Amino acid sequence: AQSVTQLDSQVPVFEEAPVELRCNYSSSVSVYLFWYVQYPNQGLQLLLKYLSGSTLVKSINGFEAEFNKSQTSFHLRKPSVHISDTAEYFCAVRVVNDYKLSFGAGTTVTVRA
Amino acid sequence: SQTIHQWPATLVQPVGSPLSLECTVEGTSNPNLYWYRQAAGRGLQLLFYSVGIGQISSEVPQNLSASRPQDRQFILSSKKLLLSDSGFYLCAWTDYTEAFFGQGTRLTVV
Repeated sequence: AQSVTQLDSQVPVFEEAPVELRCNYSSSVSVYLFWYVQYPNQGLQLLLKYLSGSTLVKSINGFEAEFNKSQTSFHLRKPSVHISDTAEYFCAVRVVNDYKLSFGAGTTVTVRA
Repeated sequence: SQTIHQWPATLVQPVGSPLSLECTVEGTSNPNLYWYRQAAGRGLQLLFYSVGIGQISSEVPQNLSASRPQDRQFILSSKKLLLSDSGFYLCAWTDYTEAFFGQGTRLTVV
């Protein structure tokens, strides 16, 4: 079965500084990879996803993630964060043609002025 | 477009009382449906998923059950709530690529 590890539970960062959230997964078969964002007391919103093709995927609000098959990683980055990026971020993996979507424990990003 | 409705948004229930959380999806047919529970610092735990009417798979043994009486309706239930059932419950559906989530129900068992 697949599993997801998010290596950082809390990431404090200053406004306009870069941020990287680490995500590693374990699976012996092909997977889809996702990053979701959750604002307080809300559901999860898809930030970006990797299904196939280019290993670098980008969101409309400046985040990007790179799929690294050899390292089984899907780290999320943003070169310059805003206060509004304060949220919890979840990495998720789904085996191709399977029903289950497995999540990491989440990383709380707190952006300070 | 597809939408997912989940209610209630918040719920405070005494220990030993029953529970019923409802989730409905619009704009798609035969969706895969999921119930997740989110506890502080523990990420999202998959509780149940369903690939069709009456088809329920349970991921972890617990005090909860799920039912799918209609194609786009998914219900999470308990006969007697425990304190440990407190948490944030999320309903979701998938289209084989990504998952779409409801706004969640904050359940506090007192």
